[in-house]
Amino acid sequence: DIVMTQSPLSLPVTPGESASISCRSSQSLLHSHGHNYLDWYVQKPGQSPQLLIHLGSSRASGVPDRFTASGSGTDFTLKISRVEAEDVGIYYCMQALQTPNTFGQGTKLEI
Amino acid sequence: QVQLVQSGAEVKKPGSSVKVSCKASGGTFDNYSFTWVRQAPGQGLEWMGRIIPILGATLYAQRFQGRVTITAHKSTTTLYMELSGLRSDDTAIYYCARGTGDDAYDVWGQGTMVSVSS
Repeated sequence: DIVMTQSPLSLPVTPGESASISCRSSQSLLHSHGHNYLDWYVQKPGQSPQLLIHLGSSRASGVPDRFTASGSGTDFTLKISRVEAEDVGIYYCMQALQTPNTFGQGTKLEI
Repeated sequence: QVQLVQSGAEVKKPGSSVKVSCKASGGTFDNYSFTWVRQAPGQGLEWMGRIIPILGATLYAQRFQGRVTITAHKSTTTLYMELSGLRSDDTAIYYCARGTGDDAYDVWGQGTMVSVSS
């Protein structure tokens, strides 16, 4: 199985500042057709996970442009600009290249 | 807008089985895959398996092979996940989620808490 490793695991942030989360995979997530099969999810307190980013850098419907994602191969980053109180939650990366899909440990963003 | 509505919380004895349902409403059922993911208390997310209803094809994580069965009833647009041989470490919230063409999960159920205790 592909191992996903996130850092940091805890991320205290001041509202209005930026936050960055790193995600590394144990093997390349770059598919032969040129897309990286890497998704980002956020699980807000008491809620189900929700999709933020798919295919490495494409924002899901309704996701603010404060959320940007980049990276390729085995190294990926999620950046949140101008953090707001509503961004509190646990952020997970997930590889969708192979089954079983596997998730990172999660990064808890706190304000 | 499609919604996935799951069945209510369950309390089970070790060794028994649980069957969780997930009803899809407000959207097309056949054109997607559906996956089950679980989350033990205070822990991360774990992929269990998926089904493509239009094909009836299933795929399970090896660690659950032989214990989990995922089915889909197209007439009622309802998915089921049955887990047998329950152990205390199966205590978790079980989520169903809809998979898009690139295997991103864009719609999630509200989760079903399954507690396993003697």
